[in-house]
Amino acid sequence: AQTVTQSQPEMSVQEAETVTLSCTYDTSENNYYLFWYKQPPSRQMILVIRQEAYKQQNATENRFSVNFQKAAKSFSLKISDSQLGDTAMYFCAFMKIGGATNKLIFGTGTLLAVQP
Amino acid sequence: GAGVSQSPSNKVTEKGKDVELRCDPISGHTALYWYRQSLGQGLEFLIYFQGNSAPDKSGLPSDRFSAERTGGSVSTLTIQRTQQEDSAVYLCASSLVQGNTYEQYFGPGTRLTVT
Repeated sequence: AQTVTQSQPEMSVQEAETVTLSCTYDTSENNYYLFWYKQPPSRQMILVIRQEAYKQQNATENRFSVNFQKAAKSFSLKISDSQLGDTAMYFCAFMKIGGATNKLIFGTGTLLAVQP
Repeated sequence: GAGVSQSPSNKVTEKGKDVELRCDPISGHTALYWYRQSLGQGLEFLIYFQGNSAPDKSGLPSDRFSAERTGGSVSTLTIQRTQQEDSAVYLCASSLVQGNTYEQYFGPGTRLTVT
């Protein structure tokens, strides 16, 4: 079974600074995707970024980038130039590809507070 | 275009009552998922619908939980004889499973409180 671990329950960063959220996962699968989702107080889960396991290049979306280390099974999220609107719960998620169900397996989340 | 919508936004019910939660996926999305988010259990997969295939019900916590998807679009999650431990946010997501596209797009959720 796959597991996803987020070891930082809470983090804080000053506005305009850079912060990195950690995520590790355990799987014996070779074909999978990894995602970071953001959940602000509004409760809406918003996709931040995705990474295909077969790609060596780290994904980037504007101020958000990942450091994907497949051998170490690590998938960290870097937020550059943090903004107040980045305050949210961040979830790392794993998806096995090619199985009967493309369900997401989530970590426990990291609550990020961006301070003015 | 319109995103995933869910209704009601909040539901308060008495223990032992039945509840129905509704999900309208993004138009054209063939896959639909239900997840549950609770303080004790985090985010858990409940059930998955894909096209006309038999649903994957492996995440349903008990036989009090059931779901259906009519016409390949709207889905209803039903909880019978609700218990206090059913209190949680129920999230619905949809995706277009095509090519390398697997992203799931979530609705705003239904917060269920069982008193």
